[in-house]
Amino acid sequence: GNSVTQMEGPVTLSEEAFLTINCTYTATGYPSLFWYVQYPGEGLQLLLKATKADDKGSNKGFEATYRKETTSFHLEKGSVQVSDSAVYFCAFSGAGNKLTFGGGTRVLVKP
Amino acid sequence: NAGVTQTPKFQVLKTGQSMTLQCAQDMNHEYMSWYRQDPGMGLRLIHYSVGAGITDQGEVPNGYNVSRSTTEDFPLRLLSAAPSQTSVYFCASSYSDRVLTYEQYFGPGTRLTVT
Repeated sequence: GNSVTQMEGPVTLSEEAFLTINCTYTATGYPSLFWYVQYPGEGLQLLLKATKADDKGSNKGFEATYRKETTSFHLEKGSVQVSDSAVYFCAFSGAGNKLTFGGGTRVLVKP
Repeated sequence: NAGVTQTPKFQVLKTGQSMTLQCAQDMNHEYMSWYRQDPGMGLRLIHYSVGAGITDQGEVPNGYNVSRSTTEDFPLRLLSAAPSQTSVYFCASSYSDRVLTYEQYFGPGTRLTVT
């Protein structure tokens, strides 16, 4: 069935370190792919998205590329800040607007 | 615009009690949905609606009812609360058509504890 697998956290980094969060998906057809971010005590916000193969989504220094051949959508940021501490969710949208989420990866950035 | 609002923010129920979680949006979105968030499991879809008068089940619908009498509101009803329903509940909304995929906007969540 449809599913999203992302690396478990927590991921602890120092400020200015490089961040990668792996995400792979299993889905029929060609879904749209998303990264959502949840800051402490808040709801989810869309971080970036890609709607077709080889598209690159980017926002706030984060990037992810839709790789159809590896069914992956890994999230990267070259230099993290303390304010990037949050839980990151990979998701895809299949039929209609229904989202299937991964389990989330908690990221903690220390000064 | 207030976006997506949810009430209450926190709720404690005893097993067997019923309650309604409220969700409203002021963006004229056709699509609304309810998710529950449990540790390590991401968000799972409970019920969704593609417009007023139309609802359908998601991945984990058992124990929950919904209705959509207006475009703005999409309440979630727990008929007889169980400890397994302890979770954080999120409501989301978006535009909808059959071709494009639109960003979903999430509410701040309701933290529910069932004892």
